Amino acid sequence: EPEVTQTPSHQVTQMGQEVILRCVPISNHLYFYWYRQILGQKVEFLVSFYNNEISEKSEIFDDQFSVERPDGSNFTLKIRSTKLEDSAMYFCASSGGTGLINNEQFFGPGTRLTVL
Amino acid sequence: AQSVAQPEDQVNVAEGNPLTVKCTYSVSGNPYLFWYVQYPNRGLQFLLKYITGDNLVKGSYGFEAEFNKSQTSFHLKKPSALVSDSALYFCAVRGRSSGNTGKLIFGQGTTLQVKP
Repeated sequence: EPEVTQTPSHQVTQMGQEVILRCVPISNHLYFYWYRQILGQKVEFLVSFYNNEISEKSEIFDDQFSVERPDGSNFTLKIRSTKLEDSAMYFCASSGGTGLINNEQFFGPGTRLTVL
Repeated sequence: AQSVAQPEDQVNVAEGNPLTVKCTYSVSGNPYLFWYVQYPNRGLQFLLKYITGDNLVKGSYGFEAEFNKSQTSFHLKKPSALVSDSALYFCAVRGRSSGNTGKLIFGQGTTLQVKP
């Protein structure tokens, strides 16, 4: 069964450093998302991406964040200068190709980001 | 603003007994509703969804959920709980408005503990 994959599973970085979190969505999906979950809290939407551009972003997704689909298979989230409060589990998700309406999102296993 | 509430942080059930995990939502118009399950150190796994039609929807692993428009609820149920059902359950909502990007709004999660 096709699945969303994410690398690395755990990333430790120093405050102020740049990190790139990588995702490979399901191959025929067209809609891509990043969510995050701070330990013990709810899953929060960060950004949605369709047709090579951001379709919606949350207040969390400030200028330090960016997303890219560089090669038609990978979908990346970059945090330019990490802060302590960026420590969280980051989930990538994708949904299918015929339109949003009936399509559930499939989530990857997540990348745990720890900012020291 | 869209929101989802899961009023119980934890639900405890004996194996073999029926279980209910509650969810209420607030969204303008008719929503799309989802349940996801998260096992320890894993990503979110889709269980079921309500799009339209029959108010009782059936999903994976014997779970079902009932959409109640007047009460704005979408409670998750299972007739006979298993110890292996113990996990964190998230209810999520997505609006139907035009231009909707598929963003999911999650509840805070309910930990289901099934005891042998």
